[in-house]
Amino acid sequence: AQTVTQSQPEMSVQEAETVTLSCTYDTSESDYYLFWYKQPPSRQMILVIRQEAYKQQNATENRFSVNFQKAAKSFSLKISDSQLGDAAMYFCAYRRVTLTGTYKYIFGTGTRLKVLA
Amino acid sequence: GAVVSQHPSWVICKSGTSVKIECRSLDFQATTMFWYRQFPKQSLMLMATSNEGSKATYEQGVEKDKFLINHASLTLSTLTVTSAHPEDSSFYICSARDTRLAGYNEQFFGPGTRLTVL
Repeated sequence: AQTVTQSQPEMSVQEAETVTLSCTYDTSESDYYLFWYKQPPSRQMILVIRQEAYKQQNATENRFSVNFQKAAKSFSLKISDSQLGDAAMYFCAYRRVTLTGTYKYIFGTGTRLKVLA
Repeated sequence: GAVVSQHPSWVICKSGTSVKIECRSLDFQATTMFWYRQFPKQSLMLMATSNEGSKATYEQGVEKDKFLINHASLTLSTLTVTSAHPEDSSFYICSARDTRLAGYNEQFFGPGTRLTVL
């Protein structure tokens, strides 16, 4: 079964600095999607960035980028120029296709990011 | 972007009563919706996958008779917690896939419903 591990329960970063959140996963599949979601205090889940496993190029969305190492099954999120609004819980997620053809998302345990002014 | 709403956002009920939570896709059709449960400071745990017009698929360990899911239309799925008990108190989140976005297949999350059972 697939698992997603986030080994950092909490991280802190100074405003305007860069921080990297770690995520590793375990799978025997070759084609899958990986996601980073942000959950602010409002509890609304917000998609930050996605990565398709068959693409070697790392995904980038403005200040957010990933370091996708397929062989190592690692999917870290880098936040550049951190802003106070980036403070939130960040979840790494793996998407797999079930035998019935539906999608199932498996979430990591989350990393709470604090941004210090 | 696609919007998913949930109603109510917060509900308090007495032990033994049933509570219905609605999940709606406001500007897109969703053949598949997902129901998650999130305990305080924990991750999202998938409870069930709701498919329009068919029975929901429940994850192992989730009681289908306790958590009734109905997906009667392409824009509405409901989760009914029957005979609720204090241990059912949690944050329930739904998400929906936009069937038009076949290339991305991402899910859009609702804002969640906080259930407190007294």
